Amino acid sequence: AAGVIQSPRHLIKEKRETATLKCYPIPRHDTVYWYQQGPGQDPQFLISFYEKMQSDKGSIPDRFSAQQFSDYHSELNMSSLELGDSALYFCASSFKGNTEAFFGQGTRLTVV
Amino acid sequence: LAKTTQPISMDSYEGQEVNITCSHNNIATNDYITWYQQFPSQGPRFIIQGYKTKVTNEVASLFIPADRKSSTLSLPRVSLSDTAVYYCLVGSNNAGNMLTFGGGTRLMVKP
Repeated sequence: AAGVIQSPRHLIKEKRETATLKCYPIPRHDTVYWYQQGPGQDPQFLISFYEKMQSDKGSIPDRFSAQQFSDYHSELNMSSLELGDSALYFCASSFKGNTEAFFGQGTRLTVV
Repeated sequence: LAKTTQPISMDSYEGQEVNITCSHNNIATNDYITWYQQFPSQGPRFIIQGYKTKVTNEVASLFIPADRKSSTLSLPRVSLSDTAVYYCLVGSNNAGNMLTFGGGTRLMVKP
């Protein structure tokens, strides 16, 4: 069965650069969530979308933005990267906001 | 949002039953209780979800008392591969929910 696809799997950027992370949800899923997870930490909710509209916002820095496109894939745009942005970024999808969500493999972002 | 409280860590041995309890005193009427498992460097994986009483699937059981202010995830006969962090989440199954992770329970299964 198709799962949530995230790309790239690994990304190395320098400080002050920009990065774009992509998430392709499970077909027919209309809800996408983004999370940031630092080493030894719990996943921190960043932002979510339902039917291409932002539905909720968590601890997402102003330097980050995200959107969900007409084909339901989502992109997380990160600008003016800082060393502290180094983390695993997970995307998850569900159907109509069901709390049974499916997570992707994550993108490991390293800022140097 | 209902806040959840779980033990920070638990130890067990192979073959034992493990019960992890989560407190959610402020659970709302339309909230469900959902448990996830996470291995290092992997995305959380859905384990089980329930609203009240008992739910069982091929992996675990979930016990929810009548007042729904707590829940217990039961893992039968754990193995070394069950060593992971387990998260309890509380939220509605409505479009636009937030799906927030609190502090999970780090389960260590020993031989």
